[in-house]
Amino acid sequence: AQTVTQSQPEMSVQEAETVTLSCTYDTSESDYYLFWYKQPPSRQMILVIRQEAYKQQNATENRFSVNFQKAAKSFSLKISDSQLGDAAMYFCAYMGNTGKLIFGQGTTLQVKP
Amino acid sequence: SAVISQKPSRDICQRGTSLTIQCQVDSQVTMMFWYRQQPGQSLTLIATANQGSEATYESGFVIDKFPISRPNLTFSTLTVSNMSPEDSSIYLCSGGQGRAGELFFGEGSRLTVL
Repeated sequence: AQTVTQSQPEMSVQEAETVTLSCTYDTSESDYYLFWYKQPPSRQMILVIRQEAYKQQNATENRFSVNFQKAAKSFSLKISDSQLGDAAMYFCAYMGNTGKLIFGQGTTLQVKP
Repeated sequence: SAVISQKPSRDICQRGTSLTIQCQVDSQVTMMFWYRQQPGQSLTLIATANQGSEATYESGFVIDKFPISRPNLTFSTLTVSNMSPEDSSIYLCSGGQGRAGELFFGEGSRLTVL
């Protein structure tokens, strides 16, 4: 069975600084997808970024980028120029052959002004 | 993209009663799922809602407790049966086109069981 692990329950960053959230996963599948979702207090899950496992190039979406290390089964999220609106709970998630999303435990990000 | 609406957004229920949560998607989606989330915790998959057939449940979840229907490609319901305080949680509906596609989520239904 696939598992996703986020070892940082809470992180904090100063506004305008950079922060990296960690995620590791375990799978025996060779073809899969990895995601980072953001959940603000409103509870709405928002897709931040997606990575296809077959792509070596790391995905980037504006201030958000990932460091995907397939051999190490690591998938970290880097947030540059942090903004107050980035404060939320961030979930790393795995999607394999079944199309189901398996989530990590989540990391609560605090942004300090 | 898809917009997912859930009803009710929140409810307070008495022990022993049942509540049905509705999930409506504004476009046809291949796959629909139901998740449970304790406040401040991660999302746990309850089941895959299959159109026109019985849902596929994850370990620890059974049909008698969480019956699910999906009559078409845009609508699903989750019933939480014979509720106890341990069922107090947020229940989220999600939908998408399957592999590689984004899963869209509703805003969740917060249930409190007294």
